[in-house]
Amino acid sequence: QQPVQSPQAVILREGEDAVINCSSSKALYSVHWYRQKHGEAPVFLMILLKGGEQKGHEKISASFNEKKQQSSLYLTASQLSYSGTYFCGTVNSNSGYALNFGKGTSLLVTP
Amino acid sequence: GAGVSQSPRYKVAKRGQDVALRCDPISGHVSLFWYQQALGQGPEFLTYFQNEAQLDKSGLPSDRFFAERPEGSVSTLKIQRTQQEDSAVYLCASSFYRVRDQPQHFGDGTRLSIL
Repeated sequence: QQPVQSPQAVILREGEDAVINCSSSKALYSVHWYRQKHGEAPVFLMILLKGGEQKGHEKISASFNEKKQQSSLYLTASQLSYSGTYFCGTVNSNSGYALNFGKGTSLLVTP
Repeated sequence: GAGVSQSPRYKVAKRGQDVALRCDPISGHVSLFWYQQALGQGPEFLTYFQNEAQLDKSGLPSDRFFAERPEGSVSTLKIQRTQQEDSAVYLCASSFYRVRDQPQHFGDGTRLSIL
């Protein structure tokens, strides 16, 4: 049930863009994206519901293709503060509540 | 408080000891979750409460793990006869009600080390 994230790690220069992918083998109701810095709580970024919508939050946006059970997180003009580990959490269509998290994508933005 | 509060922040115990981890969710949040996060991994679901009712405990690794939320607010995760493989960060999260389309808000976690 665990979604698969790719890539495992990314190193960017400040100002560069990145895409993080999340793929599931199960039919999904929603995809949740979080960012976690070392030793801190995962911080909620956004939720995408089935319907193929795309959401945005400043320079961070995401899409959800429910037919393919895939979601992508887009980081535009990255800032140093974007560094951290990004997790996607998926809610299966038949489960109702439990978030299944991927193993995470480590992102490092350098000056 | 404004966010989810967990205590203690760090816990060191000897193998075989019992430990209790506390979670104080955001006021008014109906749903409460416990997760276990191993180093370099994503959080793994342990158990789910809706108010005081434990609706799902399928993620608890063994019968040494026990969670409760007697009054529908504060929750405690108890681990009996701890073993080294129990070493991990234990995260608590709460959400207003339905999780499917609402965010979960996480606490900073309790880092448990079993010697």
